[in-house]
Amino acid sequence: NAGVTQTPKFQVLKTGQSMTLQCAQDMNHEYMSWYRQDPGMGLRLIHYSVGAGITDQGEVPNGYNVSRSTTEDFPLRLLSAAPSQTSVYFCASSSQGGGDGYTFGSGTRLTVV
Amino acid sequence: AQSVAQPEDQVNVAEGNPLTVKCTYSVSGNPYLFWYVQYPNRGLQFLLKYITGDNLVKGSYGFEAEFNKSQTSFHLKKPSALVSDSALYFCAVRDWGLMDSNYQLIWGAGTKLIIKP
Repeated sequence: NAGVTQTPKFQVLKTGQSMTLQCAQDMNHEYMSWYRQDPGMGLRLIHYSVGAGITDQGEVPNGYNVSRSTTEDFPLRLLSAAPSQTSVYFCASSSQGGGDGYTFGSGTRLTVV
Repeated sequence: AQSVAQPEDQVNVAEGNPLTVKCTYSVSGNPYLFWYVQYPNRGLQFLLKYITGDNLVKGSYGFEAEFNKSQTSFHLKKPSALVSDSALYFCAVRDWGLMDSNYQLIWGAGTKLIIKP
């Protein structure tokens, strides 16, 4: 049972490039989300989904897109990378309305130069 | 407004001493409360949760937390700290009083715990 799998673990982008961060879970969780973690800022919610075909914005959605075509996958797209998007990105999933908490991926460390 | 506060950015404890990491919350309904730990360059790992019942909850790695409804607190504790407990600790709450909370957990800012040999 793999849990939540994020790829890649590390990535360096040039300003203006686009890329997709992958997230997959094998627990049949209906809820999936993306967070970014910056020093001194804690966790900030970017986008989330409560089921296939349903997505919504979190606290800091600008510059990011998501889609949820299947229950298992929730990719995060950076449309035109900016240095301000340098961060560590975490994907998390949950079931039971969030009552069991979240399962997190191991993270993607992104640097935009 | 719903919120979680971890009033200490950093807690320093000598190895073998008891440790406490503080968390207070504000929600409109009944809370589900969680503690997570993040070791360097790793994702967040679940430690323990409070849903209902006994106010003292036991979790992984010898940690426990006490739910205090009157003080709206959920402090994380361990009787004897280990150097390997050094990590970043996050408190989170699920507010069941919100109609449209959509699985959302409200997160504290995190507390860095440093255990000195």
